[in-house]
Amino acid sequence: AQTVTQSQPEMSVQEAETVTLSCTYDTSESDYYLFWYKQPPSRQMILVIRQEAYKQQNATENRFSVNFQKAAKSFSLKISDSQLGDAAMYFCAPNAGGTSYGKLTFGQGTILTVHP
Amino acid sequence: DTGVSQNPRHKITKRGQNVTFRCDPISEHNRLYWYRQTLGQGPEFLTYFQNEAQLEKSRLLSDRFSAERPKGSFSTLEIQRTEQGDSAMYLCASSLGDEAFFGQGTRLTVV
Repeated sequence: AQTVTQSQPEMSVQEAETVTLSCTYDTSESDYYLFWYKQPPSRQMILVIRQEAYKQQNATENRFSVNFQKAAKSFSLKISDSQLGDAAMYFCAPNAGGTSYGKLTFGQGTILTVHP
Repeated sequence: DTGVSQNPRHKITKRGQNVTFRCDPISEHNRLYWYRQTLGQGPEFLTYFQNEAQLEKSRLLSDRFSAERPKGSFSTLEIQRTEQGDSAMYLCASSLGDEAFFGQGTRLTVV
């Protein structure tokens, strides 16, 4: 079974500044994906960024980037030039791999507040 | 294509009643997932389908819960004899590859 730990229940950042959200996980799979999802107050989950575990290069998507440390099972999200619209609950979620590759295990989430 | 659609958006029911939720996935997606999310927590996996076949069910899915996906298109999640502990947001997601797309969820309140 997979477990996911997001140790920061809440984080805050000033607009235009940079913030990093942490995530550690445990899995027995060797081939899997990792995702960060954003859930704004409207509650629809939106994919922010994805990382394939077999790739050493960290994924980047515009202002969002990850620091993936496979041996340490760490997958942090860095948001640069934070914007008011980034305020949301953020979830780290590896997928199951194997025949259940689409199934996600979510962490407890980190509430991000962006101050103007 | 307008994404994953869930109905109803909100449901209030009395304890002991049965409820049914519907999810319409993105049309070409063969996989469909149900998750449950309580306030302030991350979603928890309930079950998933590949086409019409239900491939996995969580131990969270008690005998009062049943899910179907006839013809591999829309899916329904039924809860029988609802309990107050069933109050939660029920999320549906669909995928073709590794990325899951989520609906807006159905919020269930059992009174």
